[in-house]
Amino acid sequence: SQQGEEDPQALSIQEGENATMNCSYKTSINNLQWYRQNSGRGLVHLILIRSNEREKHSGRLRVTLDTSKKSSSLLITASRAADTASYFCATDGHRMDSSYKLIFGSGTRLLVRP
Amino acid sequence: NAGVTQTPKFRVLKTGQSMTLLCAQDMNHEYMYWYRQDPGMGLRLIHYSVGEGTTAKGEVPDGYNVSRLKKQNFLLGLESAAPSQTSVYFCASSYSSLSYNEQFFGPGTRLTVL
Repeated sequence: SQQGEEDPQALSIQEGENATMNCSYKTSINNLQWYRQNSGRGLVHLILIRSNEREKHSGRLRVTLDTSKKSSSLLITASRAADTASYFCATDGHRMDSSYKLIFGSGTRLLVRP
Repeated sequence: NAGVTQTPKFRVLKTGQSMTLLCAQDMNHEYMYWYRQDPGMGLRLIHYSVGEGTTAKGEVPDGYNVSRLKKQNFLLGLESAAPSQTSVYFCASSYSSLSYNEQFFGPGTRLTVL
């Protein structure tokens, strides 16, 4: 079963606009991560937010976390054509042995039109 | 540093054939993972390893076997390929299994089983 679910599944915006993607999860977490995947490539880590944090920034990225609603959002400001990719949230709400497993959502496909 | 590499990049198999996917990392990471990614879905964990000589089952292990004879290598085997195993396979590694450590992904292997 999937822990994180992204919304929307697809998003098309004009270059320069902001893009917002949401992630909802089911069980309590310690951390939530966001990854980007360019077409035909592997995933690349973008940002991690801990359960005791509410907001985190990295360049043009802003991530928020609301543990009471079990949701997170990723905001990309002033989008560029190069931001076109799929974005995945990953949560750690499972414990395997003494370690943690990441559960990935199904992703949001972002298209930034020039 | 090459990071995480995977071979081969593409492969076409007939039902019942076997093959081995190779993953190598040069970051001295303890943890390695094999995922599969199917259209419209996130990544699902097949098997993982917490260190040289150790492996464990993930979310979808049936039909796959793995080995971690050397710390830098993680092999994924399909003994008798089935069309349901048509997918893109990603290998990843991390310094620690704790979820605050990002996972580093390889470029993927696109496998088609006819």
